[in-house]
Amino acid sequence: AQSVSQHNHHVILSEAASLELGCNYSYGGTVNLFWYVQYPGQHLQLLLKYFSGDPLVKGIKGFEAEFIKSKFSFNLRKPSVQWSDTAEYFCAVPRDSGYALNFGKGTSLLVTP
Amino acid sequence: KAGVTQTPRYLIKTRGQQVTLSCSPISGHRSVSWYQQTPGQGLQFLFEYFSETQRNKGNFPGRFSGRQFSNSRSEMNVSTLELGDSALYLCASSRGTGEETQYFGPGTRLLVL
Repeated sequence: AQSVSQHNHHVILSEAASLELGCNYSYGGTVNLFWYVQYPGQHLQLLLKYFSGDPLVKGIKGFEAEFIKSKFSFNLRKPSVQWSDTAEYFCAVPRDSGYALNFGKGTSLLVTP
Repeated sequence: KAGVTQTPRYLIKTRGQQVTLSCSPISGHRSVSWYQQTPGQGLQFLFEYFSETQRNKGNFPGRFSGRQFSNSRSEMNVSTLELGDSALYLCASSRGTGEETQYFGPGTRLLVL
């Protein structure tokens, strides 16, 4: 079964610091990958997704992720974080069948002023 | 376009009771998935429905069940509630036509006392 693992469970950064959150996937075939974000008290929402094509994917709010097939990785990056980026971030991959997702355990990001 | 809606938003029950949660997907979406979110386990897949048929089921006991109606609205039911069922229950919908993005509702927060 396809699965993802996230390395960092809790990250604390100061505003303007750069961010990189790790995500590794387990499946070696065709891969679709997602990053979702859950701001405090809000819906889980899509940050960005990779289906095929350019391995550097740009998402909302200045986030980007790079699909590196040789490393089975899909790390999330942002050059300069803001206090409003404080949230929980989830990497996800489709389940073996259907449209549902398998999620990583999540990374809780706290950005301090 | 209206998003995914879930009712009720909050619920308090006692052990042994049963509960029914409702989800209305985005108009035109035929796939509805349910997830349980807890601090310790993260987001865990419960089940997925497509055109009124259960397509996939996660590793949850038979106390957790669901159904989907002809208008794609879905309900999930938990019978004989246990303290450990306290969680945020998320519903997500997708078109069900190919490479998919799941759109999430705000969730129902269930507290079992």
